[in-house]
Amino acid sequence: AQTVTQSQPEMSVQEAETVTLSCTYDTSESDYYLFWYKQPPSRQMILVIRQEAYKQQNATENRFSVNFQKAAKSFSLKISDSQLGDAAMYFCAYRSALDGANSKLTFGKGITLSVRP
Amino acid sequence: GAVVSQHPSWVICKSGTSVKIECRSLDFQATTMFWYRQFPKQSLMLMATSNEGSKATYEQGVEKDKFLINHASLTLSTLTVTSAHPEDSSFYICSARDRPVAAGELFFGEGSRLTVL
Repeated sequence: AQTVTQSQPEMSVQEAETVTLSCTYDTSESDYYLFWYKQPPSRQMILVIRQEAYKQQNATENRFSVNFQKAAKSFSLKISDSQLGDAAMYFCAYRSALDGANSKLTFGKGITLSVRP
Repeated sequence: GAVVSQHPSWVICKSGTSVKIECRSLDFQATTMFWYRQFPKQSLMLMATSNEGSKATYEQGVEKDKFLINHASLTLSTLTVTSAHPEDSSFYICSARDRPVAAGELFFGEGSRLTVL
């Protein structure tokens, strides 16, 4: 079974600074997807960024980028120029490329990010 | 992106009553939907996978007679918490896949907060 580990429960960053959230995972599969989701106080889950395991290039979405190290099974999220609206709980998630439509997400425990003005 | 709507967003009920939560995909057909449970400041725990026209697949430890899931149409899945008790109080979230393949993106509903008195 796949596991996703987020070992830091909380982090804090100064507004406009950069912060990196860590995530490691364990799997025996070679084809899969990795995600970072944001859950603000509204509790709505928002997809931040997605990475396909077969792609060597790290995904980037505006201020958000990942450092995907497949051999090390590491998938960290970097938030640049942090904004107050980035304060939320962030979840790292894994999804197999197998199992077709029933392929389900495995979430890490999450990390609470606070942004200091 | 695609929209998934949950209703009600919050509900309070008396112990022993049953509560139904709806999950609708508003602008796409969802052959597969997922139901999660989330306790405060914790991760999402998958309860079951719901496929249109067939019985739901429950995760280990989830009582299928307690949490009834029906996916009668391509746009609607329902979760009924039967004979609810205070320990069932939680935040319930659904997600739906926009395409019937593993690469299909998952979209989340806003969540439903259940409080059982």
